[in-house]
Amino acid sequence: AAGVIQSPRHLIKEKRETATLKCYPIPRHDTVYWYQQGPGQDPQFLISFYEKMQSDKGSIPDRFSAQQFSDYHSELNMSSLELGDSALYFCASSLGFGSSGGAQYFGPGTRLTVL
Amino acid sequence: DAKTTQPPSMDCAEGRAANLPCNHSTISGNEYVYWYRQIHSQGPQYIIHGLKNNETNEMASLIITEDRKSSTLILPHATLRDTAVYYCIVRVDAGGTSYGKLTFGQGTILTVHP
Repeated sequence: AAGVIQSPRHLIKEKRETATLKCYPIPRHDTVYWYQQGPGQDPQFLISFYEKMQSDKGSIPDRFSAQQFSDYHSELNMSSLELGDSALYFCASSLGFGSSGGAQYFGPGTRLTVL
Repeated sequence: DAKTTQPPSMDCAEGRAANLPCNHSTISGNEYVYWYRQIHSQGPQYIIHGLKNNETNEMASLIITEDRKSSTLILPHATLRDTAVYYCIVRVDAGGTSYGKLTFGQGTILTVHP
């Protein structure tokens, strides 16, 4: 079965640079979530979109922004990168309405390293 | 969302059943219990979820107590590949929509040994 696709899988940036992470949800899934997992930490929710509208917001820095496009893929834009932004970034998708319930399915993640 | 409490670590012998407990004493009537696991640095993997009835799928069984204040995830025949961090998460599914975030807590590190 098709899974969530994230690109790139690895990204190395310098401080103060920008980065764009992309997420392609499972076909027909209309909801996308972004999570950040720092070293030795549990995943933390950043932001989510349902039907291209922001549906919830967590502890996402103002330097970060995200959107969901008409084909339901999503991009997380990160500017003025800091060393502390080095982390795994996971995207997850789910079907907002339907008999499958509320399960979110995660992608393999993007490992961002800020030097 | 209600908070959950899990033991920090557990061991299990390969081939035996792994029973992972979770306490969620403040759970509300419209909150579901979800289980995910994360194998080192991979994306969290959905296992199972339930509201009040016991659930079973190809991966595991979920037993929820009648008062819904605790649950147990059962892996019937643990293998070395089941070694992972297991997260029990309580989340509202409001009226069929499922846009609610997942709040990951400490989780249980399950180690399956030969």
